[in-house]
Amino acid sequence: GIQVEQSPPDLILQEGANSTLRCNFSDSVNNLQWFHQNPWGQLINLFYIPSGTKQNGRLSATTVATERYSLLYISSSQTTDSGVYFCAVERIWEAAGNKLTFGGGTRVLVKP
Amino acid sequence: GAGVSQSPSNKVTEKGKDVELRCDPISGHTALYWYRQSLGQGLEFLIYFQGNSAPDKSGLPSDRFSAERTGGSVSTLTIQRTQQEDSAVYLCASSGHTSTDTQYFGPGTRLTVL
Repeated sequence: GIQVEQSPPDLILQEGANSTLRCNFSDSVNNLQWFHQNPWGQLINLFYIPSGTKQNGRLSATTVATERYSLLYISSSQTTDSGVYFCAVERIWEAAGNKLTFGGGTRVLVKP
Repeated sequence: GAGVSQSPSNKVTEKGKDVELRCDPISGHTALYWYRQSLGQGLEFLIYFQGNSAPDKSGLPSDRFSAERTGGSVSTLTIQRTQQEDSAVYLCASSGHTSTDTQYFGPGTRLTVL
């Protein structure tokens, strides 16, 4: 199956700092999503971004499909950004449906 | 409802008992997915429904696990003869019809098998 690797595994930030999270995947994809899992365990959609660049407030994401990676940018981080960030992909030509394969996540702690 | 809902939010059971977990997808979403999140395995796919049929059951870990969906809406995941290694958070997601639709996740059911 497709492999999804996220880096770094852990990230500690001072409030106000910027950061970049990376997601590498081993095969062509037609679906890529970034999620934030909050301390209560809820997975919150951040971006649906199989290619290109999107921005939403202080967050932005870029996927370079031809080079099989995606980046999530957090600017001016806040304590509420703490949690685990997951990248998930669906391999292109998947036999049925669009089951997502998740990376291992990046655990982010933003200190006040 | 506005989002995917799951019940119960927490379930504690004894080894060997059967459990049923429920998922209510977003209204109008034809695709429904079950995933499992555990410490050792991370987030892993279990089963996918399109309408009431399940074209992909490849992630179900054993024949003790089964799922059904009725009326193209509510789904139940059943685990028979639960084992301690079944302890995990079970997450449900739904999406629209096409393969490029965003998946939206419910809050999950935390299952603890004693």
